[in-house]
Amino acid sequence: AQRVTQPEKLLSVFKGAPVELKCNYSYSGSPELFWYVQYSRQRLQLLLRHISRESIKGFTADLNKGETSFHLKKPFAQEEDSAMYYCALKGKAAGNKLTFGGGTRVLVKP
Amino acid sequence: GAVVSQHPSRVICKSGTSVKIECRSLDFQATTMFWYRQFPKQSLMLMATSNEGSKATYEQGVEKDKFLINHASLTLSTLTVTSAHPEDSSFYICSALVGLAGAAYEQYFGPGTRLTVT
Repeated sequence: AQRVTQPEKLLSVFKGAPVELKCNYSYSGSPELFWYVQYSRQRLQLLLRHISRESIKGFTADLNKGETSFHLKKPFAQEEDSAMYYCALKGKAAGNKLTFGGGTRVLVKP
Repeated sequence: GAVVSQHPSRVICKSGTSVKIECRSLDFQATTMFWYRQFPKQSLMLMATSNEGSKATYEQGVEKDKFLINHASLTLSTLTVTSAHPEDSSFYICSALVGLAGAAYEQYFGPGTRLTVT
């Protein structure tokens, strides 16, 4: 079975401070990992995926297979980063189905 | 980018009635769509995979006779909640699968439908 865990329900940081959202997963094969973001009153949208190895809006995430983690990081948080963030996993055996973590609400204070 | 719409955005119905939610891909064709359910302050839980021209595939624990899914065209999937009960009150979200370069896929999400059963 595949599972995604986001241990923090809420992260509150000041503008300009670093922010790290934790994501741990369990999956027996080689998964694809994603981070999705949902801004207030907007739909869920893809932020980044591990296979792209890119930085989006200043966010990066590295897949650590040894620790089965895919933490999301940004060195200098901005107020517009306040949103709900979901880590998601797609296992090859499950086709294109996504399993989502519980989500972390990020609040960036001025 | 790909846009997915849902209709209605919110609906209130009485116990025992049925309600239909539509999910449309506006500027692309989607052979596969997904239906999720989200309870307040909880994550999205996949209910079923909707495939154009064939039966939907339901996740374990989801009653297929209660949550009827029809994917009759390449741009429309519908979810009908039959004989609704208050515990069916939730936020229902659909997504459409879009093929990208290199055999990669991405899900584009609709805005969601808030169902309240009284």
